[in-house]
Amino acid sequence: AQSVTQLGSHVSVSEGALVLLRCNYSSSVPPYLFWYVQYPNQGLQLLLKYTSAATLVKGINGFEAEFKKSETSFHLTKPSAHMSDAAEYFCAVSEGNNDMRFGAGTRLTVKP
Amino acid sequence: EAGVTQSPTHLIKTRGQQATLRCSPISGHTSVYWYQQALGLGLQFLLWYDEGEERNRGNFPPRFSGRQFPNYSSELNVNALELEDSALYLCASSLGVSEQFFGPGTRLTVL
Repeated sequence: AQSVTQLGSHVSVSEGALVLLRCNYSSSVPPYLFWYVQYPNQGLQLLLKYTSAATLVKGINGFEAEFKKSETSFHLTKPSAHMSDAAEYFCAVSEGNNDMRFGAGTRLTVKP
Repeated sequence: EAGVTQSPTHLIKTRGQQATLRCSPISGHTSVYWYQQALGLGLQFLLWYDEGEERNRGNFPPRFSGRQFPNYSSELNVNALELEDSALYLCASSLGVSEQFFGPGTRLTVL
């Protein structure tokens, strides 16, 4: 079955710095990959998704992620962090069915 | 277009009681998923309903159950509540195998 590993449960960056949140996946078939963001006491909001089209996927709020098959990775990046980016981020993988597996999440803190 | 809605927002129960949580999917979505998000444990898959049928369940005891109605809305029932059932319960919906769209959650507190 597919699975996701998010490296680093907590990431702290300064405002204006690069954000890099790491995600590695395991899948027996070409995967569908997703990044979600969760603000405190809210549900999850889809940031972006990869569904076998372009390997560089652009999402909302200036985030993007690159699918690298050779590295089985789907890392999330943003060139310049903003205070409003502070949240928990979840990577998820699906094998094209309704079984979506989520990573444990990475809490992003942005320092002024 | 209205998103996924959940009710109530907060629910406080005591041990041994039953809790009922409700979810309305995005219009046109036929699949509803339930997840438990307990502190420090990430998202744990509970149940998947599609076209009124339970299609899959996660590793939870039978006292976690639910159903999906003809209008695709769904209920999650938790019987014989235990302290460790305290969590944020998230509902999501999808159309087919597309991405899941999440509701704001119901915060269940068991005292």
